[in-house]
Amino acid sequence: DAGVTQSPTHLIKTRGQQVTLRCSPKSGHDTVSWYQQALGQGPQFIFQYYEEEERQRGNFPDRFSGHQFPNYSSELNVNALLLGDSALYLCASSLFGGGLYEQYFGPGTRLTVT
Amino acid sequence: DQQVKQNSPSLSVQEGRISILNCDYTNSMFDYFLWYKKYPAEGPTFLISISSIKDKNEDGRFTVFLNKSAKHLSLHIVPSQPGDSAVYFCAANDSGANSGYALNFGKGTSLLVTP
Repeated sequence: DAGVTQSPTHLIKTRGQQVTLRCSPKSGHDTVSWYQQALGQGPQFIFQYYEEEERQRGNFPDRFSGHQFPNYSSELNVNALLLGDSALYLCASSLFGGGLYEQYFGPGTRLTVT
Repeated sequence: DQQVKQNSPSLSVQEGRISILNCDYTNSMFDYFLWYKKYPAEGPTFLISISSIKDKNEDGRFTVFLNKSAKHLSLHIVPSQPGDSAVYFCAANDSGANSGYALNFGKGTSLLVTP
């Protein structure tokens, strides 16, 4: 049973560019959350998707947007990249209504903005 | 504003001894707390959790204690093993804010268990 998978593993972009990160949830899960983990910091909640809609959003600008597909996979898009967007982006999946402890994290995508 | 704080960036413990990792929070609305363990190149893995209606939860070698009045929780690992060496994150959730699965994480404590 595959867990949460994310692609790509690493990514290097230039300031001002746009990036798309992808996440496939664990089998049986229908909810996807995205987190940003800057160096030396804990993960920060970006947003959560369920039934193809953004259900909740953290304190991130509109440059950060997402999408969830009918197969529950999800994309995170970041426009007009800033140097400060360099971070590890984590995807977490869960079953809506399940326990918080049942949220599984992927290995992350390391984004470097130069 | 950091609502969950882990003030010890690192901790070194001898194998077989007790490891105590601490976490403080500022938001009194938090009612569910979790500890995650993270190895390099992997995502955080759930370790143990505690609801605010309890003050202790135990799972094998891992015990979490919650002191609501002090807004403090701690994770005890007894006995510590070299495989426990990882970064440990404390996380909190306010279920009443319709927060879904939004977790507020601390910065983490890097635990090193030496043989």
